[in-house]
Amino acid sequence: EAQVTQNPRYLITVTGKKLTVTCSQNMNHEYMSWYRQDPGLGLRQIYYSMNVEVTDKGDVPEGYKVSRKEKRNFPLILESPSPNQTSLYFCASMDPSYEQYFGPGTRLTVT
Amino acid sequence: AQSVAQPEDQVNVAEGNPLTVKCTYSVSGNPYLFWYVQYPNRGLQFLLKYITGDNLVKGSYGFEAEFNKSQTSFHLKKPSALVSDSALYFCAVRDTSGRALTFGSGTRLQVQP
Repeated sequence: EAQVTQNPRYLITVTGKKLTVTCSQNMNHEYMSWYRQDPGLGLRQIYYSMNVEVTDKGDVPEGYKVSRKEKRNFPLILESPSPNQTSLYFCASMDPSYEQYFGPGTRLTVT
Repeated sequence: AQSVAQPEDQVNVAEGNPLTVKCTYSVSGNPYLFWYVQYPNRGLQFLLKYITGDNLVKGSYGFEAEFNKSQTSFHLKKPSALVSDSALYFCAVRDTSGRALTFGSGTRLQVQP
């Protein structure tokens, strides 16, 4: 089954404790992206990657890092999380016709 | 910078009636436009897209959208709403570089039986 997976689905952590949210897709898509969803703000793009070793900032990259060492994986790293990064995070991959496939989401709470 | 506006936070419609969810956009060059739907506790699902060609685009679950270049709009429509259509709908625009995707703030559609 074609899918995008994210782990963990739920995470509660404390300010400053480094964390990684994993994302993997099995569709061989070149383009992958991370978004955060906040009430009233819709989805905002954090980072995207056009291909392996090619990443670029989206609209809200501050406080986040990404890496793309292999095509299927695109982890999101918060090196020093803060409460304003409490949000619902989505990973997505895109096929050549520009249709995006979203993961199930990761709900992050930073206290 | 590109942007998307969804002017209605919520749209209420009775089952069987037509529905419209509004979207306007701003982008340099020719836009690539999309609609996605989010059901409770789920990720987003693709509904339809406009890249080029016919201004009326048909998508999943009986939805369609009309691209209007002069009004920079891409409204989502359905002739007869179902209770199961109740969800959060997002409009999005991608610039022709194909790099960044910008979403609107979302419109919650509530279909009453």
